[in-house]
Order: sequence, then C-alpha cells, then structure tokens
Amino acid sequence: NAGVTQTPKFQVLKTGQSMTLQCAQDMNHNSMYWYRQDPGMGLRLIYYSASEGTTDKGEVPNGYNVSRLNKREFSLRLESAAPSQTSVYFCASSGDVGSSGYTFGSGTRLTVV
Amino acid sequence: GENVEQHPSTLSVQEGDSAVIKCTYSDSASNYFPWYKQELGKRPQLIIDIRSNVGEKKDQRIAVTLNKTAKHFSLHITETQPEDSAVYFCAFRGGGSNYKLTFGKGTLLTVNP
Repeated sequence: NAGVTQTPKFQVLKTGQSMTLQCAQDMNHNSMYWYRQDPGMGLRLIYYSASEGTTDKGEVPNGYNVSRLNKREFSLRLESAAPSQTSVYFCASSGDVGSSGYTFGSGTRLTVV
Repeated sequence: GENVEQHPSTLSVQEGDSAVIKCTYSDSASNYFPWYKQELGKRPQLIIDIRSNVGEKKDQRIAVTLNKTAKHFSLHITETQPEDSAVYFCAFRGGGSNYKLTFGKGTLLTVNP
C-alpha cells in the first residue's frame, strides 16, 4: 500500500501563475485534508472533505480551491499564486472517528517568486 | 474558534533525561488527542493518541496523559535518545460530526548526546 501520495514534491511558481497539487489515498478513507506548514505556525487547515462529494473551508482557505474528484483523490488549486503562499503543503486522510488519526502524504514544497 | 496552545516551543535535554510537552485545548467536547512526530524534511507521523474516556496511555518510552477538567494533555518521553530529536505536534479533534484535527504550533525537541 502506498498510503497517501502527493505530487509534485517541489515546485517553483512565478507570482500570478496557477497550479494544482494532487493527492491520492489507497486506504479507502472517507475524509481528506489539505494543510500548510509554515515555520513557527504549525499545521493550518486549508480545506477538508469529510466525505466524497463534500468540501469545507478550514482556517486559511483564501486563495485556494479544492476538488474531491472521487473517494481516492483530493486536489488543491492555486488560481493566482502569491509569495504568501510559499509553504510546505501536506495532504492527509483519515477513516471514521474510531480510527487512528491522520495519514500524511510526503508534502509539496512550493516557492512563489 | 478551536485552538490549542502548546508549550514549550523548544526543549533541549540530555540523553537519558525525560521530556514533557504540554497542550491546552479550547473545546470541552473534544474527544480525541493525537501526538505527531516530524523529523526534519519528513511528514508528520502519529506516535501515540488518547481518547477522552482514558486518562493515560503508555507505549514503551512514550506516554500521554489527559486531564479533561483542566482541558490539557501532555506527552512524556522517558530515557530520551538522540533519535527522539524532532518537532512534536499535539492535536485535538473537536466535538461534532467532522473529523478534522486542530494542531498546536509544535515543539522542537533536541536530545544532546
């Protein structure tokens, strides 16, 4: 089992460019999440999808959109990248509330210049 | 909104000593409290978790305690080793029907040989 797979691992964008971060899980989890990690700020929730067909805003959704394509895949899109979106992005998934927490992907290091 | 305060932000100990990290959360309906370890350049990984109906849980050198009255929970690492050096994040899942976690800002633990 691959767990949670994120692509790409690294990306450099120019201000104003767009891109989509891809995430897929093979654990049959219902819920998926996108977090960003910045020094000293911990992990902040951007968007989440509690189940296939639903998405909700997290703590820092501005400048992002998401798509829950199917049960396996949850993508994050930056329509017009800004330097403030320079960060490490983590996708995660979880099963039902009785299960053992999140499984994280390996992260995407994004730099916007 | 939901938030969790994590202390200290940095912790330096000598090999063999104990380390304690404490988190205080806001939502009294919270029911699940995991701890994640993140090594440099890697993804966060779950190391131990506790549910609200339990006061303490232990796994070899790692233990977590929960005080629901005071709304705080702590990670205890005994007989620390250099490979315990990492950033540790606490998190909690609030009451309600979704499964998202709110993370603390992290503690950088350094174990000196």
